Amino acid sequence: EVQLLESGGGLVQPGGSLRLSCAASGFTFSDYAMSWVRQAPGKGLEWVSALSNSGTSIYYADSVKGRFTISRDNSEKTLYLQMNSLRAEDTALYYCAKDFYSGSGSYYNLWGQGTLVTVSS
Amino acid sequence: EIVLTQSPGTLSLSPGERATLSCRASQSVASNYLAWYQQKFGQAPRLLIFGASSRATGIPDRFSGSGSGTDFSLTISRLEPEDFAVYYCQQYGTPRITFGQGTRLEIK
Repeated sequence: EVQLLESGGGLVQPGGSLRLSCAASGFTFSDYAMSWVRQAPGKGLEWVSALSNSGTSIYYADSVKGRFTISRDNSEKTLYLQMNSLRAEDTALYYCAKDFYSGSGSYYNLWGQGTLVTVSS
Repeated sequence: EIVLTQSPGTLSLSPGERATLSCRASQSVASNYLAWYQQKFGQAPRLLIFGASSRATGIPDRFSGSGSGTDFSLTISRLEPEDFAVYYCQQYGTPRITFGQGTRLEIK
């Protein structure tokens, strides 16, 4: 079955860190760019970061640049998001999404169900 | 950064009616790289349209997209009960993707 399964979310204090994972199955993971998109409670979609299939092209939203790091392990078919210096405004459901192309900058034809990150003291 | 503004914020219509949703970009979207998604409560977004006017796999033909440059629209020709949801546009003409704020389509 073609799917993405996120994990790693939870409750963290402001200034803390979390590492999200996204396990892919049912398609050739190494052929596609991957992205993270988040959605704050009751709000719209916000693009967070994208990584090309080879890992050579990386992009971040200004809101997370310098704090978040996207990476991937093609042998494990897994995408990661290391989140440091977390703020209350980072509280959201984090979706992993499969790009249609190998390079970054695409539409998303497959989404996971999301993992919830709550930043609160 | 390209800012996408969707209108209206909320659209109230009845099943069987025609819905037209708008998405306006702050600058021209390269190669009309504009997508539309549908999101129902508690679910992940679902791709409807890419390249401004191409339907994604399995999307009914009552959904259609049009537009170019800075003005785009999504039309649902005859609303079915399952179409009431939130709709987002997304531009992917630049590596830093942006989404519109969404249009909520509700039952009148």
